[in-house]
Amino acid sequence: EPEVTQTPSHQVTQMGQEVILRCVPISNHLYFYWYRQILGQKVEFLVSFYNNEISEKSEIFDDQFSVERPDGSNFTLKIRSTKLEDSAMYFCASRKGGRDTQYFGPGTRLTVL
Amino acid sequence: DAKTTQPNSMESNEEEPVHLPCNHSTISGTDYIHWYRQLPSQGPEYVIHGLTSNVNNRMASLAIAEDRKSSTLILHRATLRDAAVYYCILTAYNFNKFYFGSGTKLNVKP
Repeated sequence: EPEVTQTPSHQVTQMGQEVILRCVPISNHLYFYWYRQILGQKVEFLVSFYNNEISEKSEIFDDQFSVERPDGSNFTLKIRSTKLEDSAMYFCASRKGGRDTQYFGPGTRLTVL
Repeated sequence: DAKTTQPNSMESNEEEPVHLPCNHSTISGTDYIHWYRQLPSQGPEYVIHGLTSNVNNRMASLAIAEDRKSSTLILHRATLRDAAVYYCILTAYNFNKFYFGSGTKLNVKP
């Protein structure tokens, strides 16, 4: 069964550094999402992406965040200058469209030191 | 976004049915009801979704009240692998963003 994959599984970075989290959505899916989950807290919506542009974003998704689909398979989340409070699990999800639901990847654990 | 209310935790015995309730009294006519679960250290996993009618799939059944203000996820025979946090989520017709609440932590006893 096709799955959403994410790399790396764990990323450690220093505060102020840029990180890029990578996702490979399910191949025939058209809608892409990023969520985050701070340890012990709820899963929070960050951004949705369709047709090479952001369709919705939350207030968490400020100017330090950006998303990109650089080729036909990858979907990336960039954090320009990481802060301690960016430490969290980041989940990518994808959806075919219509009434098909979202399918989530296993997540990337980001640790900012 | 319409809010859902779920019990913080529930307990079940292995191989018995589990009924996980969700209240969503402010649901709008076009909101879909989704259920996901999250096993420890994993991403959310799709379980089932529906609009008005009851739904069945290989994982579970979804029973939706006639007034749609509540729903129940039914696991027919709980296994130890079903121990997870279960989330009831309402989404608009475009399924474009999910707001996760705190969910129900299900503990399954052998």
